[in-house]
Amino acid sequence: DSGVTQTPKHLITATGQRVTLRCSPRSGDLSVYWYQQSLDQGLQFLIQYYNGEERAKGNILERFSAQQFPDLHSELNLSSLELGDSALYFCASSRREGSQETQYFGPGTRLLVL
Amino acid sequence: QQQVKQSPQSLIVQKGGISIINCAYENTAFDYFPWYQQFPGKGPALLIAIRPDVSEKKEGRFTISFNKSAKQFSLHIMDSQPGDSATYFCAARRRGSTLGRLYFGRGTQLTVWP
Repeated sequence: DSGVTQTPKHLITATGQRVTLRCSPRSGDLSVYWYQQSLDQGLQFLIQYYNGEERAKGNILERFSAQQFPDLHSELNLSSLELGDSALYFCASSRREGSQETQYFGPGTRLLVL
Repeated sequence: QQQVKQSPQSLIVQKGGISIINCAYENTAFDYFPWYQQFPGKGPALLIAIRPDVSEKKEGRFTISFNKSAKQFSLHIMDSQPGDSATYFCAARRRGSTLGRLYFGRGTQLTVWP
């Protein structure tokens, strides 16, 4: 168990809908990352938050947005869903420990858009 | 553009054999190279990582070999076991970006036959 929790585990919805994925980082981790995993694209970085502020953006669509709250949990919002958005969405968290930093991944949310 | 290229896509090895997965990168700004292991239905978990100031790092049956001049690194799994059957991802992070995003390879699905 990585200590990172994600809800829900599975989500089935229809095209055009909006969903929210939730992530609770490991206790004490200030940094949260969102990744999308699909069969044809592998693990793609979406966005990173650090202590409530957006820190880096990757291949995140304009239909997607995220935020990190004061209690450090994060939410990824996906709107106007398309069939191609079906994927596994992972959240990871990390903190600096001396010169080391490891990203710990949650179990993921499997999204199916019908 | 895939910044970290990984091969092979899939690998079948007999129990007791050596599994070798290779990765290559172009960006010389990368200075941290982790390998993640992912079992079905789980999130990726850090297996072993290396920095370019060493050419090899060993942890149990897992070894990373790093060739800085060739910009290549590889994972060797000695005495491969059926329990090693999983998907393996190499990754890289830019110098000076502690708590920064990871660039992942596409993954290698390893199957170890008993």
